[in-house]
Amino acid sequence: DQQVKQNSPSLSVQEGRISILNCDYTNSMFDYFLWYKKYPAEGPTFLISISSIKDKNEDGRFTVFLNKSAKHLSLHIVPSQPGDSAVYFCAATSPNFGNEKLTFGTGTRLTIIP
Amino acid sequence: DAGVIQSPRHEVTEMGQEVTLRCKPISGHDYLFWYRQTMMRGLELLIYFNNNVPIDDSGMPEDRFSAKMPNASFSTLKIQPSEPRDSAVYFCASRARDTEAFFGQGTRLTVV
Repeated sequence: DQQVKQNSPSLSVQEGRISILNCDYTNSMFDYFLWYKKYPAEGPTFLISISSIKDKNEDGRFTVFLNKSAKHLSLHIVPSQPGDSAVYFCAATSPNFGNEKLTFGTGTRLTIIP
Repeated sequence: DAGVIQSPRHEVTEMGQEVTLRCKPISGHDYLFWYRQTMMRGLELLIYFNNNVPIDDSGMPEDRFSAKMPNASFSTLKIQPSEPRDSAVYFCASRARDTEAFFGQGTRLTVV
């Protein structure tokens, strides 16, 4: 039972345009969401997060939007750069887990076309 | 700090053999996690420790899998006996109470 879903396995975007990566979740107890970025042969690295008390969090070119009623979040990258090509994982956690245990999606491979 | 260190980076073994994966967390981090990455299921949490004590091992797939953390600077994940379906990338991650999780580079396990 996949509680965090990333339905697009891959996405290609032209350099300079906006990249939008989507994530859906089913567990209404999740209250903290994160995005991790992973390059080949490396471990995932933390990118940005959002608490359920917010609907938007911005950090430079990266913005995460949260729609609690739809149980949906998205990561926007503007403008996209070649170095953004990586696999992006959405993750969620819950006070039931002491906010310690992260549940990850299956990832979306983003390719930025120069 | 050098970050989370995992060894080996690659492991190829024959079915039925014992496999031991190792992890050194970041100094001062009191949480340690073992994840497995597969194409079908993404990153799955296998087990995590807090202050060297296993807290949740509900993700460990079978009794063939076991994990230990004898001290704050070392953990092992053991598979005995290994099977081809165990082939995956295994990640170790650590965090402090007020930080996000930092991942190691992973161990790519191939069981033939």
